[in-house]
Amino acid sequence: NAGVTQTPKFRVLKTGQSMTLLCAQDMNHEYMYWYRQDPGMGLRLIHYSVGEGTTAKGEVPDGYNVSRLKKQNFLLGLESAAPSQTSVYFCASRSDSYSNQPQHFGDGTRLSIL
Amino acid sequence: AQTVTQSQPEMSVQEAETVTLSCTYDTSESDYYLFWYKQPPSRQMILVIRQEAYKQQNATENRFSVNFQKAAKSFSLKISDSQLGDAAMYFCAYRRNTGGFKTIFGAGTRLFVKA
Repeated sequence: NAGVTQTPKFRVLKTGQSMTLLCAQDMNHEYMYWYRQDPGMGLRLIHYSVGEGTTAKGEVPDGYNVSRLKKQNFLLGLESAAPSQTSVYFCASRSDSYSNQPQHFGDGTRLSIL
Repeated sequence: AQTVTQSQPEMSVQEAETVTLSCTYDTSESDYYLFWYKQPPSRQMILVIRQEAYKQQNATENRFSVNFQKAAKSFSLKISDSQLGDAAMYFCAYRRNTGGFKTIFGAGTRLFVKA
């Protein structure tokens, strides 16, 4: 099973450039999440979605946008990249069938903004 | 707001010995779930163990067990017979049951295993 797949795995951008990170899951999960991971700060929630066509802000949403046009995909966009957005980004998904279900994570995207 | 605190940025253990990682959380909820995730150098986040707050019995998964103290809001992870493959970053996480769309993560504890 593929599980949660993130593309790309690595990317270097210049300040002001835009890009989109793609997350795809094949587990028919309702809930999807985007996190960023920075040293000493754990995982911080950027945006999340509780179903197709829905999105909501997390803890650190500024500078990011998301879309969930299809249930299996959750896109994270950076409209004008800034050095402060240099981080490792993780996508995760979870079933809504049982509340105790853990999240399933992708392998992460390392993004550097110069 | 709920918070999760891991007070040990780094821990070290000798191979075959036992180590305990600490986690405390703050919540006014009575029904919630707690998780420990492992992140090895490969970056993949892997669920280690989970605990339902309504269960008094501590969860165990092979060499991994927890000490869940609900009144103290403490959720420590014990790794027995430590192996080199246990070296990783460990994250404690909390999610409330009702309306619990979001999971709150601690800052993590990096575990080193010495041969």
